[in-house]
Order: sequence, then structure tokens, then C-alpha cells
Amino acid sequence: NAGVTQTPKFQVLKTGQSMTLQCAQDMNHNSMYWYRQDPGMGLRLIYYSASEGTTDKGEVPNGYNVSRLNKREFSLRLESAAPSQTSVYFCASSARDPLSYEQYFGPGTRLTVT
Amino acid sequence: SQQGEEDPQALSIQEGENATMNCSYKTSINNLQWYRQNSGRGLVHLILIRSNEREKHSGRLRVTLDTSKKSSSLLITASRAADTASYFCATVNTGGFKTIFGAGTRLFVKA
Repeated sequence: NAGVTQTPKFQVLKTGQSMTLQCAQDMNHNSMYWYRQDPGMGLRLIYYSASEGTTDKGEVPNGYNVSRLNKREFSLRLESAAPSQTSVYFCASSARDPLSYEQYFGPGTRLTVT
Repeated sequence: SQQGEEDPQALSIQEGENATMNCSYKTSINNLQWYRQNSGRGLVHLILIRSNEREKHSGRLRVTLDTSKKSSSLLITASRAADTASYFCATVNTGGFKTIFGAGTRLFVKA
């Protein structure tokens, strides 16, 4: 039982390049989330998927797209990376909604955009 | 904008002492959660307190919630060096899915 896994762990991009961050969970959770964490700050929600087949914007969705590929996988895509997107990205999942269920986090992807 | 604001931003104590962190928030919430983050790692859930609860315990952790003051506190008793980490409060509004995290309190426990 690996929990929440993320790939890659580190990535350096040039401005304008694109990439996809992958996330998978093996806990049969319905809900999945993407957050970013900037130095000295808390996490900010980018997008979430309440259940398979649905996605919704969070607090800071601009510049990102997501795909809920199946119940296990939720990917985050940067179409044209910008230096402002340099951050640590965390994926999380929960059994259902955070009204009742805690979120389980992956180890993070450190992204640098030059 | 951040919903939860932790206080203090940083805290340094000796092993065995108690550590208290506070969180304030701005809007009505369904519940408030506390998470811990060790350096360079993902967050780990510690405890959840619902808006109709005033106090909750889990091991060495004690959480209080005052909805009239829109504030919560996390008390870690008899701290250990292994408690060194950042601690975040997170609020969940009635919509259910949008969890808002504060900026965190960095706790350093000296052995």
C-alpha cells in the first residue's frame, strides 16, 4: 500500500515549456486534489476532483489544467510554464469530502521554472 | 487569500515543554483540521474538530475551537525532538471540498 505517489520528484523547466505532473493513489479514495506550496507559506488549492469524472477549480487555477484519468490517477498539466509557477506541488486524496475525511498527501514535486 | 492565520510564525522550546499554536480564520467553517509537515515532505493529518465541538484530544495533542472568536489552538504536551516540524491549520467551509491552509507555525524542539 503505497498511499499517494507523485512523479517526478524534481523538475526544471524553461519558460514556455509544458509538462504534466502525475499523481496516483491506491486507497480507493473518491476525491483528489492538487496544491502548490510557495516558500514560507501554506498550501493553496489549484484544482480538485470530487469524484471520478469531475474536476473543479480551486483558489489558484490559472495556468493549469487537470485530468482525472480514472479513480486512481489525477494529473496536473502546465501548458506554458512561467517563473511564477516555481513551487512545490502536492497531490492529495480523501475518501470523500473534507467535511468528514482527512486528506492524505503525496511527497511532492519540486518544480523550478527558469 | 489565506483563511487560516497561525500564530506564532515560529516557536523554539526545550524537550519536555508544552507547545501552543494558534489559528484564526475569517468565515464560517464546517470543520478545522491540523496537519504536520516535516521538512521537505508532504503533510500528515493530525486531528479534525467539527464546528459544534469545543475540544478534542488525541494522544499528546489537544485542540480547542472557539467559533465565536473564529480561532483554534493546538497544544502539544511534553514535546519531543521528533515533534520538530511545521504545523498548519486548515479550514473547510460548508461547500466541503475547498480546504484553505494557513501559513503555518514552525516548531523547533531542542533536545
